[in-house]
Amino acid sequence: KNQVEQSPQSLIILEGKNCTLQCNYTVSPFSNLRWYKQDTGRGPVSLTIMTFSENTKSNGRYTATLDADTKQSSLHITASQLSDSASYICVGTLKSPQLLHEKLTFGTGTRLTIIP
Amino acid sequence: EAGVAQSPRYKIIEKRQSVAFWCNPISGHATLYWYQQILGQGPKLLIQFQNNGVVDDSQLPKDRFSAERLKGVDSTLKIQPAKLEDSAVYLCASSLGGSRTNTEAFFGQGTRLTVV
Repeated sequence: KNQVEQSPQSLIILEGKNCTLQCNYTVSPFSNLRWYKQDTGRGPVSLTIMTFSENTKSNGRYTATLDADTKQSSLHITASQLSDSASYICVGTLKSPQLLHEKLTFGTGTRLTIIP
Repeated sequence: EAGVAQSPRYKIIEKRQSVAFWCNPISGHATLYWYQQILGQGPKLLIQFQNNGVVDDSQLPKDRFSAERLKGVDSTLKIQPAKLEDSAVYLCASSLGGSRTNTEAFFGQGTRLTVV
């Protein structure tokens, strides 16, 4: 069964601190792993997309890692800001030769709160 | 570049009533998704279109939900009759899709439905 599990469920950190969010995925056949940021009341916004050949990818203060062997990914946020308060959703994407399209499987997200 | 447009932003209806949501994807995007996001959970795929054809509607409650994508552009999602458990945010997303892989999915702001 294709599934994505994230931890922790929620996290509270002080402004300026770093944090790391975790994602374990079981998606087959694997195409790519995505991280989205979702602010309250808004749609998700893409942070990174990584294929199995990419170990790490950065987008500003966000750095995602991917270990295709252990099927784990992490999202590291450096020098957190109040605007980083949001839900962060991990998404595993599969695509088989029989499928003419990609299929996205979403995790339940990590709710991150940055306090001043 | 204009983003994915959805309307309305909010809707409150009584149970057993019907409701329709509208989505205008990014121009040129072949793939259009409708997701249901219940509070505190990740988005769940309801239906995925490629141009004006359905490629995945396995999780669409077909006894009450229907969707169409006219001329491969705009799409509408209808619920008839609504139940209390349909209260959620309905997200529309689009991507270049087709046979391409690793294409970014762009989300609209969503429609928040409350069934009372």
